[in-house]
Amino acid sequence: AQKVTQAQTEISVVEKEDVTLDCVYETRDTTYYLFWYKQPPSGELVFLIRRNSFDEQNEISGRYSWNFQKSTSSFNFTITASQVVDSAVYFCASTDRRGSQGNLIFGKGTKLSVKP
Amino acid sequence: EPEVTQTPSHQVTQMGQEVILRCVPISNHLYFYWYRQILGQKVEFLVSFYNNEISEKSEIFDDQFSVERPDGSNFTLKIRSTKLEDSAMYFCATYRTSGRADTQYFGPGTRLTVL
Repeated sequence: AQKVTQAQTEISVVEKEDVTLDCVYETRDTTYYLFWYKQPPSGELVFLIRRNSFDEQNEISGRYSWNFQKSTSSFNFTITASQVVDSAVYFCASTDRRGSQGNLIFGKGTKLSVKP
Repeated sequence: EPEVTQTPSHQVTQMGQEVILRCVPISNHLYFYWYRQILGQKVEFLVSFYNNEISEKSEIFDDQFSVERPDGSNFTLKIRSTKLEDSAMYFCATYRTSGRADTQYFGPGTRLTVL
């Protein structure tokens, strides 16, 4: 069975600091998919990124970057120069070989607070 | 951009009552899902639905729960006899393919409060 672990329950930083959110996954599948979602205080779930198990390239999108390392089963998320609007709960998730069609298995989330 | 919509945004009910949560998926999407999130906890998969039938369900999705797509547009989750522990945010999700970044997109959620 798949499992996603986000060991950091809460993180608090001051604006403009960089912050990394950790995600460790477990799976028996050789093909799997990893995701990050953001849940702001308003409650909706906002998709941030999807990564296939066969694509270990790191990705950067503006202030966001993701580091995928199969050797350590990790898919970490870094926010550079954090802003107050980044305050949210961030969830890492995975599915099996079916990709986005399969049911998402979520981690417990990391609550990020960015203070001005 | 098309969105998944859910109604109501907040439902309060008495224990033992039936509730129906509604979702309007993005048109032409084929896969539909319900997830729930108990306050302060992680998001949990309940059920997936494809081609007018359940394709997968979790242990949470017991006989008290049912889903259907009665009119080809709405996708509903029914809880037959609510319990206090059913209080949670319920999210509908729909699967689309968009090149490299296909993913499930979530509706805004329905907060269910069982008293």
